[in-house]
Amino acid sequence: AQKITQTQPGMFVQEKEAVTLDCTYDTSDPSYGLFWYKQPSSGEMIFLIYQGSYDQQNATEGRYSLNFQKARKSANLVISASQLGDSAMYFCAMREGRVQGAQKLVFGQGTRLTINP
Amino acid sequence: GAGVSQSPSNKVTEKGKDVELRCDPISGHTALYWYRQSLGQGLEFLIYFQGNSAPDKSGLPSDRFSAERTGGSVSTLTIQRTQQEDSAVYLCASSLQGAGVEKLFFGSGTQLSVL
Repeated sequence: AQKITQTQPGMFVQEKEAVTLDCTYDTSDPSYGLFWYKQPSSGEMIFLIYQGSYDQQNATEGRYSLNFQKARKSANLVISASQLGDSAMYFCAMREGRVQGAQKLVFGQGTRLTINP
Repeated sequence: GAGVSQSPSNKVTEKGKDVELRCDPISGHTALYWYRQSLGQGLEFLIYFQGNSAPDKSGLPSDRFSAERTGGSVSTLTIQRTQQEDSAVYLCASSLQGAGVEKLFFGSGTQLSVL
């Protein structure tokens, strides 16, 4: 079964609008972490935001926020006031517990976001 | 440079040849990871290093794949007798464990094409 599901292969949004990228996850481990990474055309993966399973509040980092709904096992990324430079692939990822100290992440298939001027 | 460096950026090889992919992590980062990204797919974990040892090799697809890390720094991923299904982008990441939320810093990857 898929551990991380991103149901939107592609999204098109007008510049300055807010956008929500969906992510649902599946785990039985009570301790886990959720990440979002951005991958522009250069190929480098860029860390955006992190949410721990025990965090009481939704994570925020500048224009990025994570809508964490634990009971629904969803961790949607919200980008406010989108910019042309936000056009990229976005990956949701999960770390389950700790395996010998490793930050072993399981990634979703990604969503390609295109911001239109 | 200050980031994770990978070389070569592109590698084209013939089926059956061996290839070596190199990763220079951020200085001082103790943890190093290799991931593989096939066309249009998410990232697939291959191997994790803590220092020079590899406590988790569970993602290596076959015994044709091996990796080593020396001096707690540079890592080499070796693929022997390459097959066409090995074609992918191989991404390396490093992190500083014990520094709060452990962020992975990725390189730009090596695009491997096996003809």
